[in-house]
Amino acid sequence: GQQVMQIPQYQHVQEGEDFTTYCNSSTTLSNIQWYKQRPGGHPVFLIQLVKSGEVKKQKRLTFQFGEAKKNSSLHITATQTTDVGTYFCAVDNYGQNFVFGPGTRLSVLP
Amino acid sequence: DGGITQSPKYLFRKEGQNVTLSCEQNLNHDAMYWYRQDPGQGLRLIYYSQIVNDFQKGDIAEGYSVSREKKESFPLTVTSAQKNPTAFYLCASKLTGNTEAFFGQGTRLTVV
Repeated sequence: GQQVMQIPQYQHVQEGEDFTTYCNSSTTLSNIQWYKQRPGGHPVFLIQLVKSGEVKKQKRLTFQFGEAKKNSSLHITATQTTDVGTYFCAVDNYGQNFVFGPGTRLSVLP
Repeated sequence: DGGITQSPKYLFRKEGQNVTLSCEQNLNHDAMYWYRQDPGQGLRLIYYSQIVNDFQKGDIAEGYSVSREKKESFPLTVTSAQKNPTAFYLCASKLTGNTEAFFGQGTRLTVV
């Protein structure tokens, strides 16, 4: 089935620094979603990207979908301690299974 | 309130016992999913269902079973055949197609 990889696995930043996580697939994706899971919590939907080259922003978060629809990125500007958690990309495999990348765990030092 | 509910939040069982985790949603979602998450790890798909009375194996279905007799309910049974069942189990639901998934609060299963 569809598999996606994410890098890095972990990222430690000082509060105020930027953060980026990347999601990569070997095949073309129909869409990609991003979720955030706080420590001890459950994943919460952030955004969905569908179009080639799409860029969406949510306050300090910027999401991009690659031109070939095989990769995506999530960038956080000026991280805050509230950004701590694990960020997952997820792929709805053309309406079949729904798989998640391994996630990037972000820690923010105050 | 509309949402997806998992119960119980914490569950302890003895080795060799089957245990069933509950997942109920009142969002009128067709698709439901079960994931397993180990400490510091990602979400691995166990089973999923796109419609009532039908379900498909995910990547790690061995040692688990499910049923989908009602649209609202998708219980997961962890059988004694599952070699290492201690984990955090998450249930999710969504409309079919490119839509967001909603997760339950999860069940932490500990087998002793």
